[in-house]
Amino acid sequence: QKEVEQNSGPLSVPEGAIASLNCTYSDRGSQSFFWYRQYSGKSPELIMSIYSNGDKEDGRFTAQLNKASQYVSLLIRDSQPSDSATYLCASSSNDYKLSFGAGTTVTVRA
Amino acid sequence: NAGVTQTPKFQVLKTGQSMTLQCAQDMNHNSMYWYRQDPGMGLRLIYYSASEGTTDKGEVPNGYNVSRLNKREFSLRLESAAPSQTSVYFCASSESLARYEQYFGPGTRLTVT
Repeated sequence: QKEVEQNSGPLSVPEGAIASLNCTYSDRGSQSFFWYRQYSGKSPELIMSIYSNGDKEDGRFTAQLNKASQYVSLLIRDSQPSDSATYLCASSSNDYKLSFGAGTTVTVRA
Repeated sequence: NAGVTQTPKFQVLKTGQSMTLQCAQDMNHNSMYWYRQDPGMGLRLIYYSASEGTTDKGEVPNGYNVSRLNKREFSLRLESAAPSQTSVYFCASSESLARYEQYFGPGTRLTVT
């Protein structure tokens, strides 16, 4: 079992809609969680970090964490064509390393 | 302030050839990392360096060696390239191991024929 699992997608949403990305992790000791955005042919870019249960909002992005369910999600509100990318979920481990999911590809159609 | 830089951007090798991928960061970060990214596999850690003078194996170290040349530079060497090492390689850095926010370089696309 992979340490971090993401819904495989691809996810296609109309412009202006909410894109919902999900991620589960297996290490109960994980304390820190991250969402990276990766445009095609480019490197991952950190867009959100979350450390405690609940919601964290940053502009059009909201990260949600539920440690009891070992679940992290990312909501993108008012989706724009520029949000079309692959989103990588990552969780920390006790040995200070990050484990990454395989990514969910989002396409925002105009 | 360039962040994390990597050279080369693209490389084609024949099986058995060797090469070194270079990485440098100008953010005064202590920790540096090498990942490979393959379709459907996500990012997998090859080696990392917690601080200058230390290196440790990650998830997939076989076939690779690393050198932390100084605080800024961290290189990855393939001694005898194999087709299975065809991948995109990313270098990343963070303030420290305990600061998990990692910042990535632009990547090197390597093809081994």
